[in-house]
Amino acid sequence: ETGVTQTPRHLVMGMTNKKSLKCEQHLGHNAMYWYKQSAKKPLELMFVYNFKEQTENNSVPSRFSPECPNSSHLFLHLHTLQPEDSALYLCASSQGASLTYEQYFGPGTRLTVT
Amino acid sequence: AQTVTQSQPEMSVQEAETVTLSCTYDTSESDYYLFWYKQPPSRQMILVIRQEAYKQQNATENRFSVNFQKAAKSFSLKISDSQLGDAAMYFCAYRSANAGGTSYGKLTFGQGTILTVHP
Repeated sequence: ETGVTQTPRHLVMGMTNKKSLKCEQHLGHNAMYWYKQSAKKPLELMFVYNFKEQTENNSVPSRFSPECPNSSHLFLHLHTLQPEDSALYLCASSQGASLTYEQYFGPGTRLTVT
Repeated sequence: AQTVTQSQPEMSVQEAETVTLSCTYDTSESDYYLFWYKQPPSRQMILVIRQEAYKQQNATENRFSVNFQKAAKSFSLKISDSQLGDAAMYFCAYRSANAGGTSYGKLTFGQGTILTVHP
């Protein structure tokens, strides 16, 4: 375990549902990230938060809404998703968003949109 | 924009033998970092090894080493004395060293290579 936890580990939701993914890090880090891992595609960075401030939104559709209430917690709120949004969503954290800091990944939430 | 390419979707190796995973990247930057990450089945992704582009010496971590060819923009991972626990998806990743750019903190990943280790 790397000190980054994600819940739930698996989620099935309909296109009209609203759900949230949660990430928590126990490492005292200040930067947190959401990545999307689709089958046969490279991991895609979605959002970066550094000291609770969003520093990157990688052209993510508005049906994905991140929230970072403090440096230890990161949420991804989901609504009116599409089947192509089915993927593994990975959370990561690092000491800061600076280049020299290693990113530690959580186990991911496997999301299926029906 | 930077791109990372892993041309081997799958590789296999016999236990105790050596295997090399390939990675190429495209960038116009001269300073950057390269990484290999390991993602075992249903387990968390962990950093295996990192290389700073300004360092000519290839990074080594126990049985893992890289062959960094900056001019060729190639960054391969060699796993020596392969073990069953090495079976995983391996990702090559790039990170810009441009702290002022919009890609601050962003890792760009390749498609991944699934490594199977046969006993």
